[in-house]
Amino acid sequence: GAGVSQSPRYKVAKRGQDVALRCDPISGHVSLFWYQQALGQGPEFLTYFQNEAQLDKSGLPSDRFFAERPEGSVSTLKIQRTQQEDSAVYLCASSLTGTGGISYNSPLHFGNGTRLTVT
Amino acid sequence: SQQGEEDPQALSIQEGENATMNCSYKTSINNLQWYRQNSGRGLVHLILIRSNEREKHSGRLRVTLDTSKKSSSLLITASRAADTASYFCATDLPPGGYQKVTFGTGTKLQVIP
Repeated sequence: GAGVSQSPRYKVAKRGQDVALRCDPISGHVSLFWYQQALGQGPEFLTYFQNEAQLDKSGLPSDRFFAERPEGSVSTLKIQRTQQEDSAVYLCASSLTGTGGISYNSPLHFGNGTRLTVT
Repeated sequence: SQQGEEDPQALSIQEGENATMNCSYKTSINNLQWYRQNSGRGLVHLILIRSNEREKHSGRLRVTLDTSKKSSSLLITASRAADTASYFCATDLPPGGYQKVTFGTGTKLQVIP
Protein backbone atom coordinates (compact mmCIF):
# COMPACT_ATOMS: atom_id res chain seq x y z
CA GLY A 1 0.00 0.00 0.00
CA ALA A 2 0.99 3.64 -0.31
CA GLY A 3 0.33 4.74 3.25
CA VAL A 4 2.59 6.54 5.72
CA SER A 5 5.39 4.28 6.86
CA GLN A 6 7.31 4.68 10.11
CA SER A 7 10.39 2.83 11.27
CA PRO A 8 11.38 1.30 13.50
CA ARG A 9 8.07 0.06 14.88
CA TYR A 10 9.60 -0.37 18.33
CA LYS A 11 12.76 1.12 19.80
CA VAL A 12 14.30 0.48 23.19
CA ALA A 13 17.03 2.89 24.18
CA LYS A 14 19.13 3.21 27.27
CA ARG A 15 18.96 6.57 29.00
CA GLY A 16 21.46 8.90 27.41
CA GLN A 17 21.40 7.22 24.02
CA ASP A 18 20.53 9.07 20.82
CA VAL A 19 17.69 7.76 18.65
CA ALA A 20 16.46 8.51 15.14
CA LEU A 21 12.90 7.83 14.04
CA ARG A 22 12.01 7.76 10.37
CA CYS A 23 8.82 8.72 8.56
CA ASP A 24 8.04 8.03 4.90
CA PRO A 25 4.96 10.10 4.03
CA ILE A 26 2.58 9.42 1.18
CA SER A 27 4.24 10.41 -2.07
CA GLY A 28 3.37 13.94 -3.12
CA HIS A 29 2.08 15.00 0.27
CA VAL A 30 3.21 18.50 1.10
CA SER A 31 2.46 18.68 4.83
CA LEU A 32 4.11 16.49 7.44
CA PHE A 33 3.44 16.47 11.16
CA TRP A 34 5.11 14.76 14.11
CA TYR A 35 3.14 14.01 17.26
CA GLN A 36 4.01 12.46 20.60
CA GLN A 37 1.39 10.25 22.25
CA ALA A 38 1.67 9.15 25.85
CA LEU A 39 -0.27 6.09 26.99
CA GLY A 40 -3.97 6.84 27.22
CA GLN A 41 -3.59 10.39 25.94
CA GLY A 42 -4.24 12.19 22.69
CA PRO A 43 -1.45 13.02 20.25
CA GLU A 44 0.54 16.10 21.26
CA PHE A 45 1.83 18.28 18.44
CA LEU A 46 5.61 18.40 18.08
CA THR A 47 6.47 19.96 14.74
CA TYR A 48 5.18 20.70 11.23
CA PHE A 49 6.84 20.75 7.81
CA GLN A 50 5.56 22.18 4.58
CA ASN A 51 7.76 20.51 1.99
CA GLU A 52 11.30 20.93 3.37
CA ALA A 53 10.50 24.00 5.45
CA GLN A 54 9.93 23.50 9.15
CA LEU A 55 7.20 26.06 9.79
CA ASP A 56 6.45 25.23 13.39
CA LYS A 57 8.57 23.51 16.01
CA SER A 58 6.84 24.97 19.01
CA GLY A 59 5.83 21.57 20.36
CA LEU A 60 9.31 20.11 20.62
CA PRO A 61 9.79 19.52 24.38
CA SER A 62 13.45 20.51 24.55
CA ASP A 63 16.50 21.22 22.46
CA ARG A 64 17.26 17.51 22.62
CA PHE A 65 14.56 17.03 19.98
CA PHE A 66 15.38 17.80 16.37
CA ALA A 67 13.44 17.10 13.19
CA GLU A 68 14.34 17.45 9.55
CA ARG A 69 12.87 16.86 6.12
CA PRO A 70 15.73 17.87 3.84
CA GLU A 71 14.23 16.94 0.47
CA GLY A 72 10.61 17.51 1.30
CA SER A 73 9.71 13.83 1.52
CA VAL A 74 11.23 11.53 4.18
CA SER A 75 11.48 13.04 7.65
CA THR A 76 13.60 12.07 10.64
CA LEU A 77 12.92 12.91 14.26
CA LYS A 78 16.06 12.73 16.35
CA ILE A 79 16.18 12.67 20.11
CA GLN A 80 19.53 13.20 21.76
CA ARG A 81 20.48 11.97 25.21
CA THR A 82 17.14 10.23 25.72
CA GLN A 83 15.42 10.46 29.09
CA GLN A 84 12.76 8.23 30.60
CA GLU A 85 10.12 10.91 30.07
CA ASP A 86 10.72 10.61 26.33
CA SER A 87 9.07 7.17 26.40
CA ALA A 88 5.98 7.44 24.20
CA VAL A 89 4.61 6.60 20.79
CA TYR A 90 5.82 8.99 18.10
CA LEU A 91 3.33 9.43 15.29
CA CYS A 92 3.95 10.90 11.87
CA ALA A 93 1.16 12.19 9.65
CA SER A 94 1.08 13.67 6.17
CA SER A 95 -1.53 15.51 4.17
CA LEU A 96 -1.84 16.52 0.55
CA THR A 97 -2.19 20.26 0.89
CA GLY A 98 0.36 22.84 1.87
CA THR A 99 -1.93 25.25 3.62
CA GLY A 100 -1.88 23.32 6.83
CA GLY A 101 -2.79 19.93 8.15
CA ILE A 102 -6.48 20.30 7.65
CA SER A 103 -7.97 21.66 4.50
CA TYR A 104 -11.49 21.23 3.27
CA ASN A 105 -10.71 17.88 1.75
CA SER A 106 -7.26 17.00 3.01
CA PRO A 107 -7.25 14.94 6.18
CA LEU A 108 -4.15 13.74 7.97
CA HIS A 109 -2.89 10.27 7.10
CA PHE A 110 -1.08 8.65 9.99
CA GLY A 111 1.57 5.99 10.22
CA ASN A 112 1.34 3.31 12.91
CA GLY A 113 3.95 5.08 15.00
CA THR A 114 7.22 4.21 16.68
CA ARG A 115 6.95 3.10 20.29
CA LEU A 116 10.02 4.39 22.11
CA THR A 117 10.90 2.95 25.50
CA VAL A 118 13.79 4.52 27.40
CA THR A 119 15.18 2.33 30.16
CA SER B 1 -1.20 21.37 25.75
CA GLN B 2 -4.28 20.02 24.01
CA GLN B 3 -6.92 22.16 22.42
CA GLY B 4 -9.80 19.74 22.73
CA GLU B 5 -11.27 17.69 25.48
CA GLU B 6 -13.53 14.72 24.82
CA ASP B 7 -16.30 13.57 27.07
CA PRO B 8 -16.81 10.94 28.35
CA GLN B 9 -13.29 9.62 28.78
CA ALA B 10 -14.61 6.08 28.46
CA LEU B 11 -17.86 4.61 27.18
CA SER B 12 -19.08 1.02 27.20
CA ILE B 13 -22.21 0.01 25.25
CA GLN B 14 -23.90 -3.06 23.83
CA GLU B 15 -23.68 -3.84 20.14
CA GLY B 16 -26.56 -2.19 18.29
CA GLU B 17 -26.80 0.77 20.65
CA ASN B 18 -25.84 4.30 19.69
CA ALA B 19 -22.68 5.92 21.02
CA THR B 20 -22.36 9.66 21.55
CA MET B 21 -19.14 11.41 22.42
CA ASN B 22 -18.50 15.10 22.81
CA CYS B 23 -15.59 17.43 22.18
CA SER B 24 -15.07 20.89 23.62
CA TYR B 25 -12.34 23.20 22.41
CA LYS B 26 -10.88 26.49 23.50
CA THR B 27 -10.25 28.82 20.57
CA SER B 28 -11.96 29.70 17.30
CA ILE B 29 -11.39 27.10 14.62
CA ASN B 30 -11.40 26.65 10.87
CA ASN B 31 -12.39 22.99 10.71
CA LEU B 32 -13.02 20.19 13.16
CA GLN B 33 -12.30 16.57 12.40
CA TRP B 34 -12.90 13.27 14.14
CA TYR B 35 -10.40 10.43 14.08
CA ARG B 36 -10.45 6.83 15.29
CA GLN B 37 -7.50 4.95 16.73
CA ASN B 38 -7.41 1.22 17.20
CA SER B 39 -5.05 -0.09 19.85
CA GLY B 40 -1.43 0.04 18.71
CA ARG B 41 -2.23 1.75 15.43
CA GLY B 42 -2.19 5.22 13.96
CA LEU B 43 -5.22 7.48 13.72
CA VAL B 44 -7.71 7.12 10.90
CA HIS B 45 -9.70 10.08 9.62
CA LEU B 46 -13.48 9.72 9.94
CA ILE B 47 -15.15 12.99 9.07
CA LEU B 48 -14.49 16.72 8.71
CA ILE B 49 -16.93 19.51 9.49
CA ARG B 50 -16.25 23.11 8.57
CA SER B 51 -16.79 25.99 10.96
CA ASN B 52 -19.75 27.23 8.89
CA GLU B 53 -21.50 23.84 8.98
CA ARG B 54 -23.73 22.64 11.78
CA GLU B 55 -24.23 18.97 10.97
CA LYS B 56 -22.70 16.35 8.75
CA HIS B 57 -23.38 12.69 8.06
CA SER B 58 -21.22 9.87 6.78
CA GLY B 59 -22.67 6.37 6.87
CA ARG B 60 -23.41 5.56 10.51
CA LEU B 61 -21.63 8.70 11.70
CA ARG B 62 -23.30 11.99 12.52
CA VAL B 63 -21.30 15.01 13.60
CA THR B 64 -22.64 18.28 14.93
CA LEU B 65 -20.77 21.50 15.54
CA ASP B 66 -21.81 24.42 17.74
CA THR B 67 -19.21 27.16 17.35
CA SER B 68 -20.98 29.42 19.87
CA LYS B 69 -20.43 26.78 22.54
CA LYS B 70 -17.12 25.63 21.06
CA SER B 71 -18.29 22.04 21.06
CA SER B 72 -18.90 19.13 18.73
CA SER B 73 -20.49 15.73 19.08
CA LEU B 74 -19.94 12.46 17.26
CA LEU B 75 -22.80 9.98 17.12
CA ILE B 76 -22.22 6.42 15.97
CA THR B 77 -25.50 4.67 15.27
CA ALA B 78 -26.12 0.92 15.46
CA SER B 79 -22.69 0.29 16.93
CA ARG B 80 -20.66 -2.82 16.10
CA ALA B 81 -17.90 -4.60 17.97
CA ALA B 82 -15.49 -3.33 15.29
CA ASP B 83 -16.23 0.25 16.42
CA THR B 84 -14.28 -0.45 19.62
CA ALA B 85 -11.47 2.12 19.54
CA SER B 86 -10.46 5.52 20.86
CA TYR B 87 -11.99 8.56 19.20
CA PHE B 88 -10.34 11.95 18.99
CA CYS B 89 -11.45 15.35 17.78
CA ALA B 90 -8.91 17.55 16.02
CA THR B 91 -9.09 21.25 15.41
CA ASP B 92 -7.16 23.76 13.40
CA LEU B 93 -6.94 27.49 13.76
CA PRO B 94 -8.76 29.95 11.50
CA PRO B 95 -7.17 30.73 8.14
CA GLY B 96 -4.33 33.18 8.12
CA GLY B 97 -1.43 31.08 7.17
CA TYR B 98 -0.37 27.68 8.30
CA GLN B 99 -2.93 25.88 10.40
CA LYS B 100 -1.67 23.94 13.37
CA VAL B 101 -3.61 20.75 14.03
CA THR B 102 -4.19 19.77 17.64
CA PHE B 103 -6.01 16.80 19.11
CA GLY B 104 -8.19 16.27 22.12
CA THR B 105 -7.74 13.82 24.95
CA GLY B 106 -9.96 11.12 23.43
CA THR B 107 -12.93 8.92 24.28
CA LYS B 108 -12.29 5.20 24.66
CA LEU B 109 -15.29 3.32 23.27
CA GLN B 110 -15.95 -0.33 24.00
CA VAL B 111 -18.75 -2.08 22.10
CA ILE B 112 -19.72 -5.36 23.71
CA PRO B 113 -20.92 -8.06 21.29
